[in-house]
Amino acid sequence: GDSVTQMEGPVTLSEEAFLTINCTYTATGYPSLFWYVQYPGEGLQLLLKATKADDKGSNKGFEATYRKETTSFHLEKGSVQVSDSAVYFCALRAFNQFYFGTGTSLTVIP
Amino acid sequence: EAQVTQNPRYLITVTGKKLTVTCSQNMNHEYMSWYRQDPGLGLRQIYYSMNVEVTDKGDVPEGYKVSRKEKRNFPLILESPSPNQTSLYFCASHPGGVDGAFFGQGTRLTVV
Repeated sequence: GDSVTQMEGPVTLSEEAFLTINCTYTATGYPSLFWYVQYPGEGLQLLLKATKADDKGSNKGFEATYRKETTSFHLEKGSVQVSDSAVYFCALRAFNQFYFGTGTSLTVIP
Repeated sequence: EAQVTQNPRYLITVTGKKLTVTCSQNMNHEYMSWYRQDPGLGLRQIYYSMNVEVTDKGDVPEGYKVSRKEKRNFPLILESPSPNQTSLYFCASHPGGVDGAFFGQGTRLTVV
């Protein structure tokens, strides 16, 4: 069945460090891919999306490219800030169903 | 403002006492879902609905009921809550197509 695997955390980085959170997926057909962010005490917010192969989603300095050949959608940011501390979820949408990874907790220290 | 509204945000109850968590969306979305979030397990789907009066089980439906009598509302019902249903619950809605889902703020449920 369809599924998403993302790197386990927690991840701790210093401010201005480079961030990568790995995400791979298994799906039949042609899913859309997403990254969601969850700040403490809040619901999930859509961070970025890509709907077809080679698309790059971007928002707030975060980027992810839909790689069909490696079935991956890794999240990257060139310079993290303390305010980026949150839990990040990779997700795919296939046939109107969503599948989520287990989440990666990121803490950025000054 | 487009939003998904859940109530209550926090709830402490006793084993066996029926409860309902409400969910409402103002975006006219066809699809709505309930998830529970537990440490190390991520989000697991409980039930989802494709439209009014059309619902189906997700991955962890045992102990839960839902109904979809109106397009905007999708309440989650626990007829006889048990401590293993202590969790953080999210309601979500999305349109057809390729877009993402919109999530409510969550309901932190504790069953003692």
